[in-house]
Amino acid sequence: GIQVEQSPPDLILQEGANSTLRCNFSDSVNNLQWFHQNPWGQLINLFYIPSGTKQNGRLSATTVATERYSLLYISSSQTTDSGVYFCARYSGYALNFGKGTSLLVTP
Amino acid sequence: DGGITQSPKYLFRKEGQNVTLSCEQNLNHDAMYWYRQDPGQGLRLIYYSQIVNDFQKGDIAEGYSVSREKKESFPLTVTSAQKNPTAFYLCASGQTSGNTIYFGEGSWLTVV
Repeated sequence: GIQVEQSPPDLILQEGANSTLRCNFSDSVNNLQWFHQNPWGQLINLFYIPSGTKQNGRLSATTVATERYSLLYISSSQTTDSGVYFCARYSGYALNFGKGTSLLVTP
Repeated sequence: DGGITQSPKYLFRKEGQNVTLSCEQNLNHDAMYWYRQDPGQGLRLIYYSQIVNDFQKGDIAEGYSVSREKKESFPLTVTSAQKNPTAFYLCASGQTSGNTIYFGEGSWLTVV
C-alpha cells in the first residue's frame, strides 16, 4: 500500500523555538493535508496543500509534489502548539494518514 | 453552529455487546468517514460514504457496520465480532472526496 512516513516521530521544543516537520510519500502527493490533534483528541485541518507553499500565521507548509514530500514549519512555537501533527493524502476516495509527529512545547 | 457532532463522548460496554456511535453533520457535505485511532498511532479508515445509501469498506472494516440513510447522518456500529474494539473513534465529513475534511470531537469506546 501507499506509505506515508512522518519525521521526526517525537519532538520537544522550548517556547519560542522553530521547527520543521516532514512527510514523505511512496507514491504521488495527492490532495495532501496537514492536521493538528490537540491533547483532547480534536483534529483540526491546518492546510490543504497539494503543491506550493501556504502560510497561516506562525505556521506554513510547502509541498514539493515532484519529490513526494511536504514540510510543515512552526515558528516561534507556543505551548498551545503541543499535540500531534498528521499529514494525509488521498488514496482512492479517503485520506490515508501518517503516524504523526508528537510535539511538546515547554514553557 | 455548523459542524460535526459525535455522541457519546465516552462509552463503556461489556464484551459481547454491540454498540452504536452517532455522527451527525449539518455542513451539507456529501462524503462522510469513520476512522479508528489507537494510542500513539495514526488514523485508520473503517468505512466511508460518498453519497446517501452508499458506503464502502475501508482498511479495517471487519467487525464494524454502518448505514447512510440520510445525508447528515452516518452511524457506526461496533459489533461483538470486532476483536479489539477499545479505541478512539473519529467521524469526518467533506464536500466531496478529494477536498478538505473536517472532524468531530471523537468518541472514546472502552470494552471491558
